[in-house]
Amino acid sequence: AQSVAQPEDQVNVAEGNPLTVKCTYSVSGNPYLFWYVQYPNRGLQFLLKYITGDNLVKGSYGFEAEFNKSQTSFHLKKPSALVSDSALYFCAVRDPSDYKLSFGAGTTVTVRA
Amino acid sequence: DADVTQTPRNRITKTGKRIMLECSQTKGHDRMYWYRQDPGLGLRLIYYSFDVKDINKGEISDGYSVSRQAQAKFSLSLESAIPNQTALYFCAITDRWNTEAFFGQGTRLTVV
Repeated sequence: AQSVAQPEDQVNVAEGNPLTVKCTYSVSGNPYLFWYVQYPNRGLQFLLKYITGDNLVKGSYGFEAEFNKSQTSFHLKKPSALVSDSALYFCAVRDPSDYKLSFGAGTTVTVRA
Repeated sequence: DADVTQTPRNRITKTGKRIMLECSQTKGHDRMYWYRQDPGLGLRLIYYSFDVKDINKGEISDGYSVSRQAQAKFSLSLESAIPNQTALYFCAITDRWNTEAFFGQGTRLTVV
């Protein structure tokens, strides 16, 4: 069975500082990995994905994520956080042989001015 | 216009009432999904459909039913709503290669 863990319920950073949101996964095959962001009263928006290729994936709004197979991690990063990055972030994983997309519990990011 | 549209956006209903949440999409994707979001639990899959004649249960289908009226329309029904079905419901779509999912803006359902 596949699963995703986001070990931090909340992440607080000051504007301009680096932002990291952690994600680890468990899947039987090579994973497809995704990050989504949810702003208040909005749906989930796709940020980036890892399917294959370069372990460092760049996505929307200046975010990037690094796939680390040995540590089964896919942490989301942004070099310089903005107040507008404050939102709920979800990591998701899918086994390529399956349809099912499994989500982590989410991490609330608060960026203070 | 949004790729995935959900109606209504908010709904308060009484215990025991039947309610339908609707989802439509404009991307022409085959696969449609209903999820519910609860704080601290992430998103959990209720039902999914790979085409008009294909309906499948997800991990938490009890108390729910769905209908795929057309390729672009997928509705979720609560036959007899109960308070623990209070949640944020999302419709999502993917293409047949299941790369990224596109989500609607959600329906906030409160059962009192």
